[in-house]
Amino acid sequence: DVKVTQSSRYLVKRTGEKVFLECVQDMDHENMFWYRQDPGLGLRLIYFSYDVKMKEKGDIPEGYSVSREKKERFSLILESASTNQTSMYLCASTSPRGGRSYEQYFGPGTRLTVT
Amino acid sequence: GQSLEQPSEVTAVEGAIVQINCTYQTSGFYGLSWYQQHDGGAPTFLSYNALDGLEETGRFSSFLSRSDSYGYLLLQELQMKDSASYFCAVRRSSASKIIFGSGTRLSIRP
Repeated sequence: DVKVTQSSRYLVKRTGEKVFLECVQDMDHENMFWYRQDPGLGLRLIYFSYDVKMKEKGDIPEGYSVSREKKERFSLILESASTNQTSMYLCASTSPRGGRSYEQYFGPGTRLTVT
Repeated sequence: GQSLEQPSEVTAVEGAIVQINCTYQTSGFYGLSWYQQHDGGAPTFLSYNALDGLEETGRFSSFLSRSDSYGYLLLQELQMKDSASYFCAVRRSSASKIIFGSGTRLSIRP
């Protein structure tokens, strides 16, 4: 089974802090994604990555950056956390191999609260 | 703009059938997916339609009409464990980039 893990389930940070959210997948997937989930808004794509050191902006990249130094690890960085970044953050991965690149595997999520 | 529309809430009775509709307007369309998410859990993949028609997977079926920009998820023989949120999602490119709807919360009554 594919396993996607995230470094924390719950995180509380103060406004202005730099925040790192880590995601690791164990299935050698090329593609990795970061979403945020807010009530009534569904999942919105922040950034995604096709390969190591490759990244592309999603629909709401403002205030975020990402890093992918190793294939299995994709990090989301909040350079200066703000209260409007309080949300559930979900990481996902998939692979273009095998013809099932439409099937994304999600981690358990990190609920971030910025005070 | 890009949008997916689905009902915010649906209530159904255990053992019955329920249909959750999704209409979409997106730039680029490769297929329509459905995901299930229980409270406190991660979204899990249910089905994918790239071509028009019905795809069946056990008690769940998914339908797509590309000409109508419309799809639905059909859940049969509802069980209490089916109480969850269901998201439709459009795959916008071959590179797996997906846009999600806002989700439908399905509540099952005994």
